[in-house]
Amino acid sequence: QQQVKQSPQSLIVQKGGISIINCAYENTAFDYFPWYQQFPGKGPALLIAIRPDVSEKKEGRFTISFNKSAKQFSLHIMDSQPGDSATYFCAAKLSGAGSYQLTFGKGTKLSVIP
Amino acid sequence: GAGVSQSPSNKVTEKGKDVELRCDPISGHTALYWYRQRLGQGLEFLIYFQGNSAPDKSGLPSDRFSAERTGGSVSTLTIQRTQQEDSAVYLCASREASYEQYFGPGTRLTVT
Repeated sequence: QQQVKQSPQSLIVQKGGISIINCAYENTAFDYFPWYQQFPGKGPALLIAIRPDVSEKKEGRFTISFNKSAKQFSLHIMDSQPGDSATYFCAAKLSGAGSYQLTFGKGTKLSVIP
Repeated sequence: GAGVSQSPSNKVTEKGKDVELRCDPISGHTALYWYRQRLGQGLEFLIYFQGNSAPDKSGLPSDRFSAERTGGSVSTLTIQRTQQEDSAVYLCASREASYEQYFGPGTRLTVT
């Protein structure tokens, strides 16, 4: 019940296309869903996050779509650029967890080709 | 300002040796986490420190793993009698009041 399942494992998108990465969870006690971006040799960095009381959040070219009933959330990258090539991780936090510990998906390696 | 720093960036050690990995969190961040990232895998929680409270050690995979945080700042992750399955990138993150965790660049550990 602590798992967050992420797909696909890898993704190749043409420059200018839309990249879509999906995550699913079982535990309805999760109350915070961030996406992290990781470039090779670097630590993950927070990209965008959403709470379950909203269905969508947009920041620039990045959008999180959240479906509470389906227990799924996804990251959409519009107008994908080669600089977006990185590994993306979804994560989730349990409500009431004083540690704010995050449970991470296994990651999606995105390659944007010119 | 300065981010989270970790040292060394790379560590190669022989099976059976002990290793120490260091994390310098962002100044003023009271929460500190250690994660393990195996090749092609997600981040695996190891241990969490918050101020002067007892650490949450629930993610440590065996008693060969331990960590301490001195003076509420620098943290050291120690792996005793290293095994080949310990090979991974070890990431440290720190957090202030919000949910956001700020990650360091990691230490790549290779056990030969």
